[in-house]
Amino acid sequence: DQQVKQNSPSLSVQEGRISILNCDYTNSMFDYFLWYKKYPAEGPTFLISISSIKDKNEDGRFTVFLNKSAKHLSLHIVPSQPGDSAVYFCAASAVNYGQNFVFGPGTRLSVLP
Amino acid sequence: EAGVAQSPRYKIIEKRQSVAFWCNPISGHATLYWYQQILGQGPKLLIQFQNNGVVDDSQLPKDRFSAERLKGVDSTLKIQPAKLEDSAVYLCASSPTGQAKALFFGSGTQLSVL
Repeated sequence: DQQVKQNSPSLSVQEGRISILNCDYTNSMFDYFLWYKKYPAEGPTFLISISSIKDKNEDGRFTVFLNKSAKHLSLHIVPSQPGDSAVYFCAASAVNYGQNFVFGPGTRLSVLP
Repeated sequence: EAGVAQSPRYKIIEKRQSVAFWCNPISGHATLYWYQQILGQGPKLLIQFQNNGVVDDSQLPKDRFSAERLKGVDSTLKIQPAKLEDSAVYLCASSPTGQAKALFFGSGTQLSVL
C-alpha cells in the first residue's frame, strides 16, 4: 500500500520556465511534509517543508502548496535552472503521532538549457 | 559542520555472503535512521535509533538484518546472509530529535548482490 505517490516518474522543463512536481498521499493522519532533492551518487538533500496548518510555504525559487482536502501537495520551482535537474522525493509524516517519514518513489526532473 | 559519514560507498558481494555498513551521524544528533532505497523507489525506513535505543525496527527483516548503535553515536548495519533482492542503496540519516522536522542524509552505500 503506497501511502505517498508521485505519479510522474519524470518531467522535462525548459530553463527559465516553471517546474511543477506533484505528490498525493492517502493517510489523513499525515501532518508534515517535506521535499528532498537527490543528485546521482549523493544522499537526498532537504529542500523545503510544510506543516498541515499552512497551505503554502515559500523559500526563494521554491514554493510548496498543500491542499489537505485533496490530499495533494506540489512543489513549484520558478525559474527552473539546469542545476535543478535531479530526482525529487516527497515525504510525509504524522509528526504528532510519532510516525516516521514515508517517502514517495520520486520524480526525475530534467531542466533543458 | 560535518555531514553524515557513511562507508563504504560501494560494495559487491555474492548471495549468501555477509556485509556490514558503517555510519557516523552529525555531531550531537540523537536520532539515527537506516533507510533502504531500491532502484526506482523512495527510501524505506529499516530502523530508527534514539541515542543507543531502538525506537522503530518494524520494517527490518530481522532474520537477516541487524543493526546496532552501542555508544549512541556511530552505527553499523549488517546483512547476513545477503539475498539478490538486498541490492539497493543503504542510506543513513540523522536528526537532532526524535520527532524530526528534517532528516540529514549521508551519501549512502550502494550494495550489489550477485
